[in-house]
Amino acid sequence: EAGVAQSPRYKIIEKRQSVAFWCNPISGHATLYWYQQILGQGPKLLIQFQNNGVVDDSQLPKDRFSAERLKGVDSTLKIQPAKLEDSAVYLCASSLARDSLFSGELFFGEGSRLTVL
Amino acid sequence: AQSVTQLDSHVSVSEGTPVLLRCNYSSSYSPSLFWYVQHPNKGLQLLLKYTSAATLVKGINGFEAEFKKSETSFHLTKPSAHMSDAAEYFCVSAGGYNKLIFGAGTRLAVHP
Repeated sequence: EAGVAQSPRYKIIEKRQSVAFWCNPISGHATLYWYQQILGQGPKLLIQFQNNGVVDDSQLPKDRFSAERLKGVDSTLKIQPAKLEDSAVYLCASSLARDSLFSGELFFGEGSRLTVL
Repeated sequence: AQSVTQLDSHVSVSEGTPVLLRCNYSSSYSPSLFWYVQHPNKGLQLLLKYTSAATLVKGINGFEAEFKKSETSFHLTKPSAHMSDAAEYFCVSAGGYNKLIFGAGTRLAVHP
């Protein structure tokens, strides 16, 4: 079974530039998550999709971050304009269904590491 | 509000000795708790989970954790460390509003 695919793995940009990350979840997984992991910290949930609808985006900085999940499959996370403090690893995860979150079993991609100079 | 606190940011052990990674939780109701592991440049992987069944939970690679309500703890243990156990370990809480709340992580180093 293929895992969660993310690209690019690494990205270096200057502040005020824009960047986009792509995620392809495990086939059949209805729920998709984007997490931000800053160095030395645990992952923080940015946004959660159920199919192509947003379940939770309370911690997404909406003035600069946006995310979409068209057709309930792939997802993109965009940052525009980037700030220095956005340097982090952006993790995508998926799970079978919303209530499977209580089982705690999310499947994570390897992440996209962003460096903002 | 739910939260987890990992008491050690770094733990260093010798190969073949026991591992103890400590986690305390804060929750207004009986939580679901998990341990995830993150190897360098790899995705996070579920090690084990507690969901109000047995208080002693066994996971992959010989790890286990014990839920102690009286101490609000969910410590991760392994009797004998292996070099391949070197990684970052996260204690995680799940509950209301379908959120996963990660601790800050404990980096485990294993020396020969």
